[in-house]
Amino acid sequence: VQLVESGGGLVQPGKSLKLSCSASGFTFSSYGMHWIRQAPGKGLDWVAYISSSSGTVYADAVKGRFTISRDNAKNTLYLQLNSLKSEDTAIYYCARRHYSGLDYWGQGVMVTVSS
Amino acid sequence: DIQMTQSPASLSASLGETVTIQCRASEDIYSGLAWYQQKPGKSPQLLIYGASSLQDGVPSRFSGSGSGTQYSLKISSMQTEDEGVYFCQQGLKYPFTFGSGTKLEIK
Repeated sequence: VQLVESGGGLVQPGKSLKLSCSASGFTFSSYGMHWIRQAPGKGLDWVAYISSSSGTVYADAVKGRFTISRDNAKNTLYLQLNSLKSEDTAIYYCARRHYSGLDYWGQGVMVTVSS
Repeated sequence: DIQMTQSPASLSASLGETVTIQCRASEDIYSGLAWYQQKPGKSPQLLIYGASSLQDGVPSRFSGSGSGTQYSLKISSMQTEDEGVYFCQQGLKYPFTFGSGTKLEIK
C-alpha cells in the first residue's frame, strides 16, 4: 500500500489549491479515504472523509471552502482548497480508513498560506 | 463534537519500563478508539484500533484497553525505538477527533 500526496505549496490568502493523493497497492475504490492536517509543531486535525460510494463529511472549519473527491479510475483522492486562510497552513495527509482508525498514511504535503 | 483528553502531555521512561498513556472521551465512544505513534518528520503510524486490536506488524509489547469514555495504551517494555509522540483518536462520530498527544522519551 502506498499513498503519495502532491500539489502543496505557498499560496496567498483567499486563493485556491488542489491536493492530490495517488494510491497504489490496494483496491482504491473499495476504501473510504480521509484528509488530516497538522499545523507545524501541533497536533492532528481531521479535515474530511469520502466513502467508497463518494459520500462526504467535512470538519466545520473547512465546510463550504474545501471539497473532497475521488477518481477511482485514476486511483486518486483529491482535496480542493478554496478561500484559503492563514490558519489552513499545515501538512496535509491522506489516509485510508480502517474500522475506527486510519491504517495507511501518505508522507504529507505542505500547504503554506501567506501573503 | 467529541473531545479527547489525553494524559500525560509528556513522560520519560527507562529501557524495559512499562509505560501507560491515558485518553478520555467526552462521551461514550463504544471502543471506537485508535492509537498512533508519530516520529519527527514522519506521518503517524496506526498501532491499535477498536480500542484493543493490534494493527498488523506492530510489536506485541503495545496493547490497548478500555471502554466507555476511558482508554489506555500500554507499552510493556520500553524500547529506544518507541520514542515519539502518541495520539489517540475517536472514530465513532464525525468529526473524528484526536487527543493532543503524549511525547514519550527515553530517560
